Amino acid sequence: QVQLQESGPGLVKPSGTLSLTCGVSGASIISINWWSWVRQPPGKGLEWIGEIYHSGSTNYNPSLKSRVTISVDKSKNQFSLKLSSVTAADAAIYYCASSGTFNIWGQGTMVTVSS
Amino acid sequence: QAVVTQEPSLTVSPGGTVTLTCGSSTGAVTSGQYPYWFQQKPGQAPRTLIYDTSNKHSWTPARFSGSLLGGKAALTLSGAQPEDEAEYYCLLSYSDARVFGGGTKLTVL
Repeated sequence: QVQLQESGPGLVKPSGTLSLTCGVSGASIISINWWSWVRQPPGKGLEWIGEIYHSGSTNYNPSLKSRVTISVDKSKNQFSLKLSSVTAADAAIYYCASSGTFNIWGQGTMVTVSS
Repeated sequence: QAVVTQEPSLTVSPGGTVTLTCGSSTGAVTSGQYPYWFQQKPGQAPRTLIYDTSNKHSWTPARFSGSLLGGKAALTLSGAQPEDEAEYYCLLSYSDARVFGGGTKLTVL
């Protein structure tokens, strides 16, 4: 059974960079073609951030594209999210998920933006 | 960026039928946008019910079905149960991006 686990700091300073990792267990990361990051501000809806193919190709939300980098580390069976120049508007639960059928989701990790 | 629209809220009676829709600002929703439907309950991660317009996962209750209807993607719930009360989100794929709808809060009452 494939499982995803998000990890990273729960608190980021304004103007800083948010960095999260999604560990994949139960299968090789290359067994599923695309992997996504999704976020949800408290009390609000879901927002697709972007996705990465296991070869490294990426697609990003145009509204976040200038600040987002998604990368994959096949040796560690994980993929990562970096979001730069964060503001309070970036505070959210961040989920990683398998694209394609979106059948696998992490439990989510809350990130707060505060000095 | 495209905007994906959903009904903000709907109410269905227990045992009743309700259809949630998902529209696109770019025009009619097509199967090539691989419509997804997600269910999210408070404090939980989203769970995919439908992918590629009408395909179900093994955990998707049979009372849920997906289709294209009148230029939109549609999620039909036939025989609503109290446990179906939740937020429902659709997701559409565009050339190099995906966009979620704003969500529909479904009340079973």
